[in-house]
Amino acid sequence: GAGVSQSPSNKVTEKGKDVELRCDPISGHTALYWYRQSLGQGLEFLIYFQGNSAPDKSGLPSDRFSAERTGGSVSTLTIQRTQQEDSAVYLCASSLAGGLAGYTFGSGTRLTVV
Amino acid sequence: AQSVTQLDSQVPVFEEAPVELRCNYSSSVSVYLFWYVQYPNQGLQLLLKYLSGSTLVKGINGFEAEFNKSQTSFHLRKPSVHISDTAEYFCAVSDQNAGNMLTFGGGTRLMVKP
Repeated sequence: GAGVSQSPSNKVTEKGKDVELRCDPISGHTALYWYRQSLGQGLEFLIYFQGNSAPDKSGLPSDRFSAERTGGSVSTLTIQRTQQEDSAVYLCASSLAGGLAGYTFGSGTRLTVV
Repeated sequence: AQSVTQLDSQVPVFEEAPVELRCNYSSSVSVYLFWYVQYPNQGLQLLLKYLSGSTLVKGINGFEAEFNKSQTSFHLRKPSVHISDTAEYFCAVSDQNAGNMLTFGGGTRLMVKP
């Protein structure tokens, strides 16, 4: 597609429920990144994919968080048993291999856990 | 390991005044530097980047930044700001040791007042 598409744009969920956030990167971008941005905070790195593999999972905050990427394209970030501290904007970005052209970001998914 | 420090969390400025947003980095190898802008309720957009060559880099919307290796800085400047420049600005650094992944600073909120 022309840009990085994230869905849903907004998600309100009850504490303890599971949620899935989707990212559709720019066609041909082999690298895909997930970040979390809490209210008034900077960007917290979560996970990075090169193709379908995730060489760096160091940023996932707990084992409730997981992500996968299939076909070298769409990625899904899953949060199980959501907690209120998971409330944030989840940003996805993609880039060509290497990333020196810069990342292209999606508009994010605003997750609110009530 | 690389890191980025944005010294000012908020910068208030009057319309048509000049502005400088400060960014300092640390890295043990040659770096690549980026500035991103995030308008309210949107994802991040690349403003400009330094990969090599001229240390003065011009970007979109009249912004420019200067790479200063001796001071390990990459400050962002604009000679005359507009109300529409009100946004969050993120500095980011990458180097070959990091697999060209970006490390972001904490962000600076630019508030342009009439």
